[in-house]
Amino acid sequence: EVQVLDSGGGLVQPGGSLRLSCAASGFNFNSYAMNWVRQAPGKGLEWVSLISGSGGSTYYADSVKGRFTISRDDSKNTVYLQMNSLRAEDTAVYYCAKGSYGSGKNGVLDYWGQGTLVTVSS
Amino acid sequence: QSVLTQPPSASGTPGQRVTISCSGSTSNIGSNIVNWYQQLPGTAPKLLIFSNNQRPSGVPDRFSGSKSGTSASLAISGLQSEDEADYYCAAWDDSLNVVFGGGTKLTVL
Repeated sequence: EVQVLDSGGGLVQPGGSLRLSCAASGFNFNSYAMNWVRQAPGKGLEWVSLISGSGGSTYYADSVKGRFTISRDDSKNTVYLQMNSLRAEDTAVYYCAKGSYGSGKNGVLDYWGQGTLVTVSS
Repeated sequence: QSVLTQPPSASGTPGQRVTISCSGSTSNIGSNIVNWYQQLPGTAPKLLIFSNNQRPSGVPDRFSGSKSGTSASLAISGLQSEDEADYYCAAWDDSLNVVFGGGTKLTVL
């Protein structure tokens, strides 16, 4: 059974940093792309970042480029999202989602975590 | 402002057929597959349709997807009360990112 468990959210001040983690199981983790998607309170879904199955390629939304970094540790079946220079507008529930085999460049997110809330406020 | 355009709301009565549209451009829907997600109240999104018209295992055949040019549609037949949810379309964009629609809130009257 595929499982995706995201964690690491919390309250952080503007300009601060936070690292989200996503532990996955039930599939050949190192072969699959992984994504982060966020949802601000009462708003729609916004894709944040993608890392390919090989880890060799990463992609970011313009809104987070230069501030967020996605990475993966295949030995731990875990993907991370390092978030720096946080702003109030980054406040959202962050979801980790399993992508497709390989590059993941198709918008297919077939398993999602339960989400972790990040609140940026002083 | 979302890259993919969806109507903010849709509604129908039990048993009816409803459709939700998703409009994009040549850099996303026009050249890549479309996927649909269902988000029930208070829960994480769930993949409903992938690759334009394919259903993951466990998704009822009441749900169907189609694509033509730079637009796509999700159809729900035999509408049920448990279908009340937010629906999102998504696609890869050739500018190297995933784009979502703004979401459509479906109400079952």
